[in-house]
Amino acid sequence: EIVLTQSPTTIAASPGEKVTITCRASSSVSYMYWYQQKSGASPKLWIYDTSKLASGVPNRFSGSGSGTSYSLTINTMETEDAATYYCQQWSSTPPTFGAGTKLELK
Amino acid sequence: EVQLVESGGGLVQPGRSLKLSCVASGFTFSNYGMNWIRQAPGKGLEWVAYISSGSSYIYYAETVKGRFTISRDNAKNTLYLQMTSLRSEDTALYYCARSDYDGFYFDYWGQGVMVTVSS
Repeated sequence: EIVLTQSPTTIAASPGEKVTITCRASSSVSYMYWYQQKSGASPKLWIYDTSKLASGVPNRFSGSGSGTSYSLTINTMETEDAATYYCQQWSSTPPTFGAGTKLELK
Repeated sequence: EVQLVESGGGLVQPGRSLKLSCVASGFTFSNYGMNWIRQAPGKGLEWVAYISSGSSYIYYAETVKGRFTISRDNAKNTLYLQMTSLRSEDTALYYCARSDYDGFYFDYWGQGVMVTVSS
């Protein structure tokens, strides 16, 4: 199965700061998907097809990458962005998730 | 509005069985593949099983293969997960999640149902 390694595990950012979360795959994948999960809530689709924002996602978010290296970037951190972010692939079965990156407010 | 509502969780002893249900509304259930995804307390997400729209294709995680069975009733807009030979490591919040039309990501999630396996 394809293993997804996210970094960092935890990051603290101040409002207005730029944040980048990286997801590396053990084998090449065609697309990467990202989810946001806030404490006590279900995950929400955040980015699909590597760079497309899900409905309602602010355009300060962006996704990029190819092959084995992908990233989620927040151009300017806002308080509501504090959450855990997971990457996910389904280029091969089973679909797998990264371990998550917890983004905290500094 | 898409809604997925899970039920059937609870406390169960190791080795016993439990059946989860997920009732879907707000979309044409029979057109979409569906999944079960779980999250152990304080841990990350683990995909468990997938069933295609017409039940022709079914996949399982290795950790549950042979013990769990995913099924669906399109007439009742309901997804199921029959879990047998439960282990302590199956303790988790179980989410029902819809696959996007092409099947490669999870575009809507339920609120989750807790399954606790303990003696």
